[in-house]
Amino acid sequence: DADVTQTPRNRITKTGKRIMLECSQTKGHDRMYWYRQDPGLGLRLIYYSFDVKDINKGEISDGYSVSRQAQAKFSLSLESAIPNQTALYFCATSDSRAPGRSNQPQHFGDGTRLSIL
Amino acid sequence: QKEVEQNSGPLSVPEGAIASLNCTYSDRGSQSFFWYRQYSGKSPELIMFIYSNGDKEDGRFTAQLNKASQYVSLLIRDSQPSDSATYLCAVKPPNNDMRFGAGTRLTVKP
Repeated sequence: DADVTQTPRNRITKTGKRIMLECSQTKGHDRMYWYRQDPGLGLRLIYYSFDVKDINKGEISDGYSVSRQAQAKFSLSLESAIPNQTALYFCATSDSRAPGRSNQPQHFGDGTRLSIL
Repeated sequence: QKEVEQNSGPLSVPEGAIASLNCTYSDRGSQSFFWYRQYSGKSPELIMFIYSNGDKEDGRFTAQLNKASQYVSLLIRDSQPSDSATYLCAVKPPNNDMRFGAGTRLTVKP
């Protein structure tokens, strides 16, 4: 089983719909992240959470919201989807309690391909 | 100027050759550097990290860091067709989130 699980893997929806993407992890990591990936632009950070009570905006948070329901679960919502939010979305985790700078690498889920018509 | 820059490629090398992937970054205070491999339609996978100036080797992979030049590279020796993927450079600036380059697409031809 994957350590970082994203659901759904694929989603096609219409403009204006509310969408939730979910992420759960069994790695025991405290930090979780949501990214989107667009061709030619690389990975861009949407939101990140260092623990259940700590939520922070990333580079491109407008139009998105998140919820950290538990240490292992971090969901991303699009309240009213628009076509330019069509992208590949990744959840990632890291462990701040690992020794030294080995706490920094991030580990990614398999991604959600989201298409908004 | 982008915070992390990579040549988008595609970089094409013959099987058995050395592939050289390059990355520059803008925040001089950055201390941690990572290389991820991403196959088409798949998630990024960490393959190397480097924190100190110089070279770090792991199997066929060597990461090179030059902080004075704000430059980090990845060498892949004895390239195989299975190495064909997009390689993402990531940099952890101080007091900021991880920043990713757009990636270099590598093709290894049999």
